[in-house]
Amino acid sequence: DAKTTQPNSMESNEEEPVHLPCNHSTISGTDYIHWYRQLPSQGPEYVIHGLTSNVNNRMASLAIAEDRKSSTLILHRATLRDAAVYYCILRASERDDKIIFGKGTRLHILP
Amino acid sequence: GAVVSQHPSWVICKSGTSVKIECRSLDFQATTMFWYRQFPKQSLMLMATSNEGSKATYEQGVEKDKFLINHASLTLSTLTVTSAHPEDSSFYICSAMAGTVGSNQPQHFGDGTRLSIL
Repeated sequence: DAKTTQPNSMESNEEEPVHLPCNHSTISGTDYIHWYRQLPSQGPEYVIHGLTSNVNNRMASLAIAEDRKSSTLILHRATLRDAAVYYCILRASERDDKIIFGKGTRLHILP
Repeated sequence: GAVVSQHPSWVICKSGTSVKIECRSLDFQATTMFWYRQFPKQSLMLMATSNEGSKATYEQGVEKDKFLINHASLTLSTLTVTSAHPEDSSFYICSAMAGTVGSNQPQHFGDGTRLSIL
C-alpha cells in the first residue's frame, strides 16, 4: 500500500490558518487522498478527500500538488476545537476500502 | 446523516468474561463495517473487515477465535471479545461506509468503546 508521511506534531494560534502537510510520493493514479481527524476520546471524523483537483468543504480545504506526490489540509481559521490528530490516508477506488491509519499529525491550538 | 452508533461506550469487567460490542449504522445501510483497536497514544490498528452475511476478514496477527465478529444485518455488526484478559483492555472503534465497495465514499466512525479488564 502506498504510504504517507506527516509531521508528528504542529502548533498554531487560535483564529489563524493552519496548513497540515502530507507527503505521498508513491501514490498511484487511482489513489484518492483522504483526511480524517480524531478528537480526544472519540472515533475519527471524516474531513475531506480528493483525487486531483483542490477541494473545499465547510470544514477545510484540500490542496493537491500537480504531481500528486503531496497535499496540504488547510483549516482556514483554527479554533480550540480543532485540536486533534489529523490523518492523511490514501485509498484506492478499486481496492477493498479498508483504511490503514498512520501516526498522523497532532495539532495543538494555542489560545 | 451517516451516523454510526457504538454501544456500550465503556465497560469494565473481570478477567475471563466475554464482552460484546455493537456497531450500528443508524441512517444508512452498510454492507461492510470495520473494527479497529487503539492503545493509548497510538494510532488505530485495523483488526478486521466485517461483511454482511459472510465471514469476517481478519488482519494478520488478529485471533479470529478471540475476537468474534458477526454482521447479521446491513445495519448491525458485533464484536465479541471472548475470555477477555487485562491485555485486551483497549479502545475499540467501528466504522461503516455508505455506498458500494470501491465507491471511495468516506467511512463513518463510531465514538468507540473503552474496554477495561480487571
